[in-house]
Amino acid sequence: KAGVTQTPRYLIKTRGQQVTLSCSPISGHRSVSWYQQTPGQGLQFLFEYFSETQRNKGNFPGRFSGRQFSNSRSEMNVSTLELGDSALYLCASSTQETGELFFGEGSRLTVL
Amino acid sequence: AQSVAQPEDQVNVAEGNPLTVKCTYSVSGNPYLFWYVQYPNRGLQFLLKYITGDNLVKGSYGFEAEFNKSQTSFHLKKPSALVSDSALYFCAVRDRNRGSTLGRLYFGRGTQLTVWP
Repeated sequence: KAGVTQTPRYLIKTRGQQVTLSCSPISGHRSVSWYQQTPGQGLQFLFEYFSETQRNKGNFPGRFSGRQFSNSRSEMNVSTLELGDSALYLCASSTQETGELFFGEGSRLTVL
Repeated sequence: AQSVAQPEDQVNVAEGNPLTVKCTYSVSGNPYLFWYVQYPNRGLQFLLKYITGDNLVKGSYGFEAEFNKSQTSFHLKKPSALVSDSALYFCAVRDRNRGSTLGRLYFGRGTQLTVWP
């Protein structure tokens, strides 16, 4: 069974631009979560989607948004990028039967 | 509030020696507990979890962890460390009694494990 796939793996943007990151969960997993990882703040929860509905949201500004499609694939968008948005963005999928999260390899965003 | 503490930023051990990576947690109810490992420029890999039952949990790559409710701890252990175990280790918790959603875990800051030959 294929794992969680995130695209792109690496990207470079400049301040003020926007970015869209994509995540394909493990087949059959309906819950998709997003995390931001930085050296200073560690792993911080962004949001969680289940059956196209946002179920939970972390403490991030409105510039950070996401959505989930009917096939469970998810995207997150960051608008008006700031230097502090440089991070590794991790997507994870999960299923009620096992409870653990399965993470993708991440999308490393650099904002210049 | 839910939180996880990993008191050691770094743990250094010699290959072949036992290793312990410490984790304590705080939840208002009963916890689900997890350990993950991260190699450079990679995502997090699941190692093991405690849901219920036996306090000693065995996971991938020879790792195990012991749930101690009275000490609110969930330390990761391995009897004999390998150089290839060198990585960043994260402990995480979810409070089962608060109806927490599946995808939200609270992570510790991570512990860098270095195993030297």
